[in-house]
Amino acid sequence: QSVLTQPPSASGTPGQRVTISCSGSSSNIGSNYVYWYQQLPGTAPKLLIYRNNQRPSGVPDRFSGSKSGTSASLAISGLRSEDEADYYCAAWDDSLSGRWVFGGGTKLTVL
Amino acid sequence: EVQLVESGGGLVQPGGSLRLSCAASGFTFSSYAMSWVRQAPGKGLEWVSAISGSGGSTYYADSVKGRFTISRDNSKNTLYLQMNSLRAEDTAVYYCAKGSGYSYVDYFDYWGQGTLVTVSS
Repeated sequence: QSVLTQPPSASGTPGQRVTISCSGSSSNIGSNYVYWYQQLPGTAPKLLIYRNNQRPSGVPDRFSGSKSGTSASLAISGLRSEDEADYYCAAWDDSLSGRWVFGGGTKLTVL
Repeated sequence: EVQLVESGGGLVQPGGSLRLSCAASGFTFSSYAMSWVRQAPGKGLEWVSAISGSGGSTYYADSVKGRFTISRDNSKNTLYLQMNSLRAEDTAVYYCAKGSGYSYVDYFDYWGQGTLVTVSS
């Protein structure tokens, strides 16, 4: 059971806009930044969004992040076949002695 | 170019030990926190442990506390994870991840390719 909650799957057709949600609590998303990672099949995770809505250099502006209260979302516009991957949200959690927590991941299928 | 190369994974019996290494290059290693994150087969990501840039502060997930030890050798640009009393549920790909800053609360901006640890008799 992951601390952050994501839908297990999402799908869309090429060119469409899809969103992936991530729900947490006051000790993680509610009080800290949210990060998003993309994991293409058979590869290591890659940073996609940092500090809620910032894109590292090289990440297309088709990817955007937002946060409100204890929830966050990742939006992908102009969906492309190469976006088919697993997406994970992450945040620092202040509970206990502090820890990094992840969502369970959302498998995005491009139909 | 940042590069993180893990090694040391393999098959180990329950109760056994293993030491993972992560060789880093392309950045000033001692200036950044480092972490280990694992992924069980077909499952999601789980943070395991973190260490500050100096190595003076270490942090562990409850699931590995008392069994795993994270360390680093800044003179060799290498991160380690000593894993003792291994259990079947420790079976996973272990990724080395670079922190974006000196502190363990800084997010992971680069990941290695991972090394597979299988705990089975």
